[in-house]
Amino acid sequence: QKEVEQNSGPLSVPEGAIASLNCTYSDRGSQSFFWYRQYSGKSPELIMSIYSNGDKEDGRFTAQLNKASQYVSLLIRDSQPSDSATYLCAVRNTGGFKTIFGAGTRLFVKA
Amino acid sequence: EAQVTQNPRYLITVTGKKLTVTCSQNMNHEYMSWYRQDPGLGLRQIYYSMNVEVTDKGDVPEGYKVSRKEKRNFPLILESPSPNQTSLYFCASGQQGIAYGYTFGSGTRLTVV
Repeated sequence: QKEVEQNSGPLSVPEGAIASLNCTYSDRGSQSFFWYRQYSGKSPELIMSIYSNGDKEDGRFTAQLNKASQYVSLLIRDSQPSDSATYLCAVRNTGGFKTIFGAGTRLFVKA
Repeated sequence: EAQVTQNPRYLITVTGKKLTVTCSQNMNHEYMSWYRQDPGLGLRQIYYSMNVEVTDKGDVPEGYKVSRKEKRNFPLILESPSPNQTSLYFCASGQQGIAYGYTFGSGTRLTVV
């Protein structure tokens, strides 16, 4: 079992819809969770972080964390073509010194 | 501008020829790390450093060396590169603490022939 798992996609949604990206992790003691966006040929860019159970909202983005289910998700409301990218889920380990990344989910927003 | 600077952006080299990829950050971050990114495998951690003179292995350290003599610099050294080290490399930095994410450099695409 991979430490951080994501569906590779591509996930295709129409412009204006809600995109839902999911991630599961294996280390039950993980402390914090991050979502990065990576455009093709570019470096990852941090868009959200969360470390308490529940929802955290930032503009069109909402991160959701359920530690009991070892599940973290990212919702993108009013999806735009400019949101088309690969989204990386990252989990910081129990010791806090290492961050493990999932392989990413490719999102395609159709105009 | 707050940034992580990697050099070079692109590098083609031959098997066995020592090389260094430089990484520098201007945000006074304690934590720095190197990742490699390969298709289908995602980002895998090579080495990380929690502060000057403090480094530790990540998940794929074989064939790599690092040093942290100054807070701002964290070079990645390949003493004897092999073709399986052909990859896209990213340097990242961040503040200590569970709540902080990383700032990534622009990446170095390395090809070893």
